[in-house]
Amino acid sequence: DAKTTQPTSMDCAEGRAANLPCNHSTISGNEYVYWYRQIHSQGPQYIIHGLKNNETNEMASLIITEDRKSSTLILPHATLRDTAVYYCIVRVAGSGAGSYQLTFGKGTKLSVIP
Amino acid sequence: GAVVSQHPSWVICKSGTSVKIECRSLDFQATTMFWYRQFPKQSLMLMATSNEGSKATYEQGVEKDKFLINHASLTLSTLTVTSAHPEDSSFYICSARDGGSGGNEQFFGPGTRLTVL
Repeated sequence: DAKTTQPTSMDCAEGRAANLPCNHSTISGNEYVYWYRQIHSQGPQYIIHGLKNNETNEMASLIITEDRKSSTLILPHATLRDTAVYYCIVRVAGSGAGSYQLTFGKGTKLSVIP
Repeated sequence: GAVVSQHPSWVICKSGTSVKIECRSLDFQATTMFWYRQFPKQSLMLMATSNEGSKATYEQGVEKDKFLINHASLTLSTLTVTSAHPEDSSFYICSARDGGSGGNEQFFGPGTRLTVL
């Protein structure tokens, strides 16, 4: 699976949009971009994923550049409860058991400030 | 969304004892389950992948005889840490894939914090 690069930490004011970048310059055509987050001492929580097109759900929006070498997770109105480590993961699509594995990097520690 | 539970949420044991951690998918059938370990201030590290009814596949460096994984049903996987030692103290997290939906998302349990004295 392609490696990802994320900033170590970011701050965001409560109520503002949080934009978390991720570089995945070696991504292959059959690899998805996934975002998970982990609040302190809890298991990771799935946020969103995409292949080529931008995606939006009730939690966030995912913007993928046209060349697919980078993406941005957007939390439109950050709250204190969004303080967490956010992981950007690239994973191959497929049906083999190994294709479902997730490789976690260090992620971005997002601190939402009152 | 799909819910995965773990039991216990935390456990303290003496060195040399064995500890069993359960991972359950509550509202879906998990054809594949994963076990991760997370040390303080570090990221999650995949330990093993298990498919229902077959032997688990362990990642390099993970001792299969020390970390016994059983995935006997589509809703339950167990991880047994045998002869636990203080260096096994960690946060153990399972995840499960909903094979019935055909999706690729993994749903994570809340984790089990193991402390070995």
